[in-house]
Amino acid sequence: QQQVKQSPQSLIVQKGGISIINCAYENTAFDYFPWYQQFPGKGPALLIAIRPDVSEKKEGRFTISFNKSAKQFSLHIMDSQPGDSATYFCAASRISDDYKLSFGAGTTVTVRA
Amino acid sequence: SAVISQKPSRDICQRGTSLTIQCQVDSQVTMMFWYRQQPGQSLTLIATANQGSEATYESGFVIDKFPISRPNLTFSTLTVSNMSPEDSSIYLCSVPGLAVYNEQFFGPGTRLTVL
Repeated sequence: QQQVKQSPQSLIVQKGGISIINCAYENTAFDYFPWYQQFPGKGPALLIAIRPDVSEKKEGRFTISFNKSAKQFSLHIMDSQPGDSATYFCAASRISDDYKLSFGAGTTVTVRA
Repeated sequence: SAVISQKPSRDICQRGTSLTIQCQVDSQVTMMFWYRQQPGQSLTLIATANQGSEATYESGFVIDKFPISRPNLTFSTLTVSNMSPEDSSIYLCSVPGLAVYNEQFFGPGTRLTVL
């Protein structure tokens, strides 16, 4: 049973456009929501993360929006660049479970020049 | 963040054999995690390895198949035993952040192909 559901499976965006990836969770005990970026042949790299007491967090061109009542969070990639082409995973963890990460299925983003 | 290395980076193995994967961290960490990423799939936690105690396995993973060692605070090994083609995956270790414990940082992974 997947604890974090991610959509879409893949998306294609033009250079300069906005990429939006959505995730939903069921377990209200989750207290940490990171996003990872993975390039082919590499391990996932922590991109940005948010806690449920904050509704939005921005780091450069990457923004997380968090809706606690709807149990949803999303990643927005502004001004998408070809170098952003990668697979993105949302995840969730909770302190009571030793910070073990539950991952979404992943979204492959392709940015066309 | 910690610097994590894994050996080997990739291997091709015959069914029925075993492979031991090493994970080395440049700082002392209490917890280390082992994940599996099947081709084109997401990451699934195999087990948590704490120094000085037995590893804790997630549902669907057993010690006989994936024995883990954690001899010190900077090193761990995962063995994939009696391999079958279904074990073909990327195996990744990860460690918590030093400053922010929620953060987890991943090694580069070991790409295993079982023929």
